Amino acid sequence: DSGVTQTPKHLITATGQRVTLRCSPRSGDLSVYWYQQSLDQGLQFLIQYYNGEERAKGNILERFSAQQFPDLHSELNLSSLELGDSALYFCASSFGQGAVYGYTFGSGTRLTVV
Amino acid sequence: DQQVKQNSPSLSVQEGRISILNCDYTNSMFDYFLWYKKYPAEGPTFLISISSIKDKNEDGRFTVFLNKSAKHLSLHIVPSQPGDSAVYFCAASGVSGSARQLTFGSGTQLTVLP
Repeated sequence: DSGVTQTPKHLITATGQRVTLRCSPRSGDLSVYWYQQSLDQGLQFLIQYYNGEERAKGNILERFSAQQFPDLHSELNLSSLELGDSALYFCASSFGQGAVYGYTFGSGTRLTVV
Repeated sequence: DQQVKQNSPSLSVQEGRISILNCDYTNSMFDYFLWYKKYPAEGPTFLISISSIKDKNEDGRFTVFLNKSAKHLSLHIVPSQPGDSAVYFCAASGVSGSARQLTFGSGTQLTVLP
Protein backbone atom coordinates (compact mmCIF):
# COMPACT_ATOMS: atom_id res chain seq x y z
CA ASP A 1 0.00 0.00 0.00
CA SER A 2 1.62 3.22 -1.22
CA GLY A 3 -0.58 5.46 0.93
CA VAL A 4 -2.20 7.07 -2.12
CA THR A 5 -5.80 5.88 -2.45
CA GLN A 6 -7.72 5.97 -5.69
CA THR A 7 -11.37 5.09 -6.13
CA PRO A 8 -13.00 3.44 -7.90
CA LYS A 9 -10.54 0.82 -9.16
CA HIS A 10 -12.63 0.07 -12.22
CA LEU A 11 -15.26 2.09 -14.04
CA ILE A 12 -17.29 1.18 -17.11
CA THR A 13 -19.45 3.84 -18.67
CA ALA A 14 -21.02 4.80 -21.97
CA THR A 15 -19.91 7.43 -24.44
CA GLY A 16 -21.21 10.89 -23.67
CA GLN A 17 -21.35 10.27 -19.94
CA ARG A 18 -19.51 12.01 -17.13
CA VAL A 19 -17.46 10.35 -14.39
CA THR A 20 -15.53 11.47 -11.34
CA LEU A 21 -12.31 9.82 -10.20
CA ARG A 22 -11.17 10.36 -6.64
CA CYS A 23 -7.73 10.47 -5.08
CA SER A 24 -6.60 10.75 -1.47
CA PRO A 25 -2.92 11.67 -1.23
CA ARG A 26 -0.43 10.15 1.14
CA SER A 27 -0.65 11.63 4.62
CA GLY A 28 1.30 14.88 4.77
CA ASP A 29 1.59 15.31 1.01
CA LEU A 30 0.32 18.60 -0.33
CA SER A 31 0.67 18.07 -4.07
CA VAL A 32 -1.53 15.87 -6.21
CA TYR A 33 -0.79 14.94 -9.80
CA TRP A 34 -3.01 13.23 -12.34
CA TYR A 35 -1.62 11.06 -15.13
CA GLN A 36 -3.26 9.15 -17.95
CA GLN A 37 -1.88 5.92 -19.36
CA SER A 38 -3.50 4.80 -22.59
CA LEU A 39 -2.79 1.49 -24.30
CA ASP A 40 0.90 1.26 -25.27
CA GLN A 41 1.47 4.80 -24.11
CA GLY A 42 3.56 6.20 -21.35
CA LEU A 43 2.23 8.18 -18.47
CA GLN A 44 0.86 11.45 -19.79
CA PHE A 45 0.78 14.30 -17.29
CA LEU A 46 -2.64 15.91 -16.99
CA ILE A 47 -2.65 18.37 -14.12
CA GLN A 48 -1.09 19.22 -10.75
CA TYR A 49 -2.54 20.77 -7.62
CA TYR A 50 -0.66 22.05 -4.62
CA ASN A 51 -2.51 22.77 -1.40
CA GLY A 52 -5.75 23.42 -3.22
CA GLU A 53 -4.36 25.50 -6.07
CA GLU A 54 -3.70 24.47 -9.63
CA ARG A 55 0.05 24.54 -10.26
CA ALA A 56 0.64 23.04 -13.68
CA LYS A 57 -1.30 21.75 -16.64
CA GLY A 58 -0.22 19.17 -19.11
CA ASN A 59 -2.08 17.49 -21.94
CA ILE A 60 -5.47 17.78 -20.32
CA LEU A 61 -8.50 18.02 -22.58
CA GLU A 62 -11.04 20.80 -22.08
CA ARG A 63 -13.63 18.10 -21.33
CA PHE A 64 -11.59 17.16 -18.27
CA SER A 65 -11.29 19.18 -15.09
CA ALA A 66 -9.93 18.64 -11.63
CA GLN A 67 -9.89 20.18 -8.21
CA GLN A 68 -8.24 19.70 -4.84
CA PHE A 69 -10.33 20.15 -1.74
CA PRO A 70 -9.37 21.62 1.67
CA ASP A 71 -8.79 18.12 3.03
CA LEU A 72 -6.32 17.71 0.13
CA HIS A 73 -8.17 14.96 -1.66
CA SER A 74 -8.58 15.52 -5.37
CA GLU A 75 -11.17 14.69 -7.99
CA LEU A 76 -10.72 14.37 -11.73
CA ASN A 77 -13.91 14.96 -13.69
CA LEU A 78 -14.19 13.55 -17.19
CA SER A 79 -17.19 14.61 -19.26
CA SER A 80 -18.64 13.92 -22.73
CA LEU A 81 -16.66 10.73 -22.65
CA GLU A 82 -15.34 9.22 -25.88
CA LEU A 83 -14.06 5.74 -26.62
CA GLY A 84 -10.53 7.13 -26.74
CA ASP A 85 -10.76 8.22 -23.12
CA SER A 86 -10.52 4.58 -22.08
CA ALA A 87 -7.29 4.41 -20.09
CA LEU A 88 -5.69 3.95 -16.72
CA TYR A 89 -5.80 7.14 -14.69
CA PHE A 90 -3.17 7.47 -11.98
CA CYS A 91 -2.98 9.89 -9.14
CA ALA A 92 0.32 10.64 -7.42
CA SER A 93 1.28 12.81 -4.49
CA SER A 94 4.34 14.52 -3.07
CA PHE A 95 5.08 16.73 -0.10
CA GLY A 96 6.36 19.74 -2.00
CA GLN A 97 5.30 21.47 -5.19
CA GLY A 98 7.39 19.15 -7.24
CA ALA A 99 9.35 16.33 -5.74
CA VAL A 100 12.83 16.08 -7.15
CA TYR A 101 12.89 12.42 -6.28
CA GLY A 102 9.54 11.65 -7.78
CA TYR A 103 6.10 10.96 -6.57
CA THR A 104 4.14 8.23 -4.83
CA PHE A 105 1.52 6.73 -7.09
CA GLY A 106 -1.82 5.16 -6.36
CA SER A 107 -2.87 1.92 -8.01
CA GLY A 108 -4.98 3.69 -10.59
CA THR A 109 -8.53 3.74 -11.90
CA ARG A 110 -9.20 1.77 -15.04
CA LEU A 111 -11.81 3.59 -17.11
CA THR A 112 -13.53 1.76 -19.93
CA VAL A 113 -15.82 3.75 -22.21
CA VAL A 114 -18.18 1.61 -24.29
CA ASP B 1 6.95 15.76 -29.23
CA GLN B 2 8.26 13.10 -26.85
CA GLN B 3 10.87 14.57 -24.56
CA VAL B 4 11.64 11.22 -22.96
CA LYS B 5 11.91 8.17 -25.18
CA GLN B 6 12.23 4.48 -24.46
CA ASN B 7 12.71 2.93 -27.85
CA SER B 8 12.51 -0.70 -26.77
CA PRO B 9 8.97 -1.70 -25.86
CA SER B 10 10.15 -5.05 -24.55
CA LEU B 11 13.24 -6.92 -23.37
CA SER B 12 13.75 -10.57 -22.42
CA VAL B 13 16.70 -11.67 -20.32
CA GLN B 14 17.76 -14.94 -18.76
CA GLU B 15 17.74 -15.15 -14.97
CA GLY B 16 21.14 -14.27 -13.52
CA ARG B 17 22.20 -12.22 -16.53
CA ILE B 18 22.34 -8.44 -16.85
CA SER B 19 19.30 -6.42 -17.95
CA ILE B 20 20.01 -3.08 -19.60
CA LEU B 21 17.15 -0.69 -20.17
CA ASN B 22 17.75 2.46 -22.16
CA CYS B 23 16.24 5.92 -22.24
CA ASP B 24 16.90 9.06 -24.28
CA TYR B 25 15.80 12.60 -23.59
CA THR B 26 15.80 15.83 -25.54
CA ASN B 27 15.34 18.60 -22.97
CA SER B 28 18.60 19.91 -21.53
CA MET B 29 16.70 21.50 -18.64
CA PHE B 30 16.00 18.16 -16.98
CA ASP B 31 18.10 17.94 -13.84
CA TYR B 32 16.98 14.67 -12.24
CA PHE B 33 16.24 11.34 -13.81
CA LEU B 34 14.30 8.50 -12.29
CA TRP B 35 13.31 4.94 -12.98
CA TYR B 36 9.97 3.53 -11.92
CA LYS B 37 8.84 -0.08 -11.94
CA LYS B 38 5.25 -1.08 -12.55
CA TYR B 39 3.58 -4.41 -11.95
CA PRO B 40 0.16 -5.19 -13.46
CA ALA B 41 -2.78 -3.74 -11.50
CA GLU B 42 -0.45 -1.56 -9.45
CA GLY B 43 0.78 2.01 -9.72
CA PRO B 44 4.38 2.78 -10.66
CA THR B 45 6.84 2.60 -7.78
CA PHE B 46 10.05 4.57 -7.49
CA LEU B 47 13.17 2.50 -8.09
CA ILE B 48 16.26 4.68 -8.39
CA SER B 49 17.23 8.20 -9.40
CA ILE B 50 20.25 10.20 -10.48
CA SER B 51 21.08 13.86 -10.41
CA SER B 52 22.32 15.49 -13.59
CA ILE B 53 25.58 16.34 -11.82
CA LYS B 54 26.41 12.66 -11.47
CA ASP B 55 27.10 9.98 -14.02
CA LYS B 56 26.35 6.91 -11.94
CA ASN B 57 24.19 5.90 -9.01
CA GLU B 58 24.07 2.43 -7.54
CA ASP B 59 21.57 0.79 -5.23
CA GLY B 60 22.04 -2.91 -4.69
CA ARG B 61 21.42 -4.76 -7.93
CA PHE B 62 20.32 -1.57 -9.68
CA THR B 63 22.67 0.98 -11.27
CA VAL B 64 21.67 3.99 -13.32
CA PHE B 65 24.15 5.57 -15.70
CA LEU B 66 23.78 9.06 -17.14
CA ASN B 67 25.54 10.35 -20.25
CA LYS B 68 24.63 14.02 -20.41
CA SER B 69 26.45 14.74 -23.64
CA ALA B 70 24.47 12.02 -25.37
CA LYS B 71 21.29 12.79 -23.42
CA HIS B 72 21.06 9.12 -22.58
CA LEU B 73 20.54 7.12 -19.45
CA SER B 74 20.41 3.44 -18.76
CA LEU B 75 19.33 1.14 -15.96
CA HIS B 76 21.40 -1.97 -15.29
CA ILE B 77 20.00 -4.81 -13.23
CA VAL B 78 22.55 -7.41 -12.14
CA PRO B 79 21.79 -10.20 -11.59
CA SER B 80 18.30 -10.22 -13.07
CA GLN B 81 15.64 -12.15 -11.16
CA PRO B 82 12.20 -13.37 -12.28
CA GLY B 83 10.63 -10.96 -9.79
CA ASP B 84 12.15 -8.10 -11.77
CA SER B 85 9.70 -8.82 -14.60
CA ALA B 86 7.68 -5.62 -14.88
CA VAL B 87 7.29 -2.49 -16.97
CA TYR B 88 10.08 0.00 -16.35
CA PHE B 89 9.45 3.69 -16.93
CA CYS B 90 12.17 6.23 -17.35
CA ALA B 91 11.25 9.72 -16.10
CA ALA B 92 12.90 13.11 -16.20
CA SER B 93 12.32 15.90 -13.73
CA GLY B 94 12.63 19.58 -14.50
CA VAL B 95 11.13 22.94 -13.64
CA SER B 96 8.53 24.26 -16.06
CA GLY B 97 7.19 27.68 -15.19
CA SER B 98 6.67 27.69 -11.44
CA ALA B 99 6.30 23.96 -11.02
CA ARG B 100 8.57 20.98 -11.19
CA GLN B 101 7.22 18.32 -13.51
CA LEU B 102 7.95 14.69 -14.15
CA THR B 103 7.93 13.55 -17.78
CA PHE B 104 7.71 9.83 -18.46
CA GLY B 105 8.80 7.62 -21.29
CA SER B 106 6.50 4.99 -22.77
CA GLY B 107 7.96 2.13 -20.77
CA THR B 108 9.87 -1.11 -21.45
CA GLN B 109 8.40 -4.47 -20.53
CA LEU B 110 11.18 -6.55 -18.97
CA THR B 111 10.71 -10.30 -18.83
CA VAL B 112 13.26 -12.30 -16.86
CA LEU B 113 13.15 -15.95 -17.88
CA PRO B 114 13.88 -18.60 -15.24
